Amino acid sequence: AQSVTQLGSHVSVSEGALVLLRCNYSSSVPPYLFWYVQYPNQGLQLLLKYTSAATLVKGINGFEAEFKKSETSFHLTKPSAHMSDAAEYFCAVSGAYGNNRLAFGKGNQVVVIP
Amino acid sequence: DTEVTQTPKHLVMGMTNKKSLKCEQHMGHRAMYWYKQKAKKPPELMFVYSYEKLSINESVPSRFSPECPNSSLLNLHLHALQPEDSALYLCASSPRGEDTDTQYFGPGTRLTVL
Repeated sequence: AQSVTQLGSHVSVSEGALVLLRCNYSSSVPPYLFWYVQYPNQGLQLLLKYTSAATLVKGINGFEAEFKKSETSFHLTKPSAHMSDAAEYFCAVSGAYGNNRLAFGKGNQVVVIP
Repeated sequence: DTEVTQTPKHLVMGMTNKKSLKCEQHMGHRAMYWYKQKAKKPPELMFVYSYEKLSINESVPSRFSPECPNSSLLNLHLHALQPEDSALYLCASSPRGEDTDTQYFGPGTRLTVL
């Protein structure tokens, strides 16, 4: 079965500092990987996705992620954190079922410190 | 227009009530999803409709009954719920229900069962 692991449920980052959220996947087939963001009392919004094209994927709001097959990783980064980045971030994987069933990680709650 | 709408935004119901949640999209998507999300947890898949046919039921109790009247509309009928069913219910849609699809989420319905 596919799965993703996100370590560290809470991540604190200073405003202007690098945001790094780690995601490692487990999949028996070539994975499709997604990062979603959820602001308080809202639904999930796609930040970016990897579907076997370029390994460095650029998303919205200055985020990007790099697919590394050798490390089974898809870490999310943003060079400079902004207060508006405070939210819950979920990594997800699909690809083994043919029906777009997403397996989500447990999520990272990002807190931005002024 | 990449919007999925959900009504109502909030719902409070007793354990003997019958209520329905509604989800609508006008993006021409042919796959629609219901998720349940508890606080500080990732979304859990409940049902998937593909081309207006139920394709996945994740062993959801029968007190939850989905319905897809047409390709734009998805309902979730609720009856005899339990307090532990209180959660955020998210609807999503995707173009074809394929693994590379992006799922677009609505803002959710916050359900409280008394």
